[in-house]
Amino acid sequence: GAVVSQHPSWVICKSGTSVKIECRSLDFQATTMFWYRQFPKQSLMLMATSNEGSKATYEQGVEKDKFLINHASLTLSTLTVTSAHPEDSSFYICSARGTSGKGGNEQFFGPGTRLTVL
Amino acid sequence: QKEVEQDPGPLSVPEGAIVSLNCTYSNSAFQYFMWYRQYSRKGPELLMYTYSSGNKEDGRFTAQVDKSSKYISLFIRDSQPSDSATYLCAMSVPPGTYKYIFGTGTRLKVLA
Repeated sequence: GAVVSQHPSWVICKSGTSVKIECRSLDFQATTMFWYRQFPKQSLMLMATSNEGSKATYEQGVEKDKFLINHASLTLSTLTVTSAHPEDSSFYICSARGTSGKGGNEQFFGPGTRLTVL
Repeated sequence: QKEVEQDPGPLSVPEGAIVSLNCTYSNSAFQYFMWYRQYSRKGPELLMYTYSSGNKEDGRFTAQVDKSSKYISLFIRDSQPSDSATYLCAMSVPPGTYKYIFGTGTRLKVLA
């Protein structure tokens, strides 16, 4: 399958600081990337969908000013959690979808980033 | 009612058993059905990807889709301790954003 990486794999930060998480498709061009968050023993909740070169589409209830998403190239999307608070502590996972060939129409997931806000 | 329902388990089986994992859904427009395996603190890994109804087999894994009953299944033959993970079903309505709707996941434990 296609390979998606995330960086960092875990991060601890102080309340009020901002954290940037990178998502990269390593061996295919991702026209669409998705950002999810997952709380312990719960399923993945879609936060936003981003298409290369355009603004992200946020799911209902997700604050776009708090969770800034940039999809500047076909292989990189970033999620910035601004002014993080302890309730933002979660497992953030990205996925990427190509158009044909490798990546196809399926979503391939990154390994996730565990964010802990103190 | 959730769009996708999945028993969270945990489901414990002995090594070598046949495992049956299931999801039901309410949206008849779903056409793509996926099964993902997720190990603790890792991202989901795509296991099976099926379109519309029918069966698909890959090694020890078989995915079944019954659109008339709005019911999908994943069977694991000769289960191994390394199969212990959470299994998530996901569905989507093409085309467009290809937004996936996930089940809550079933935790599986295969006992040696």
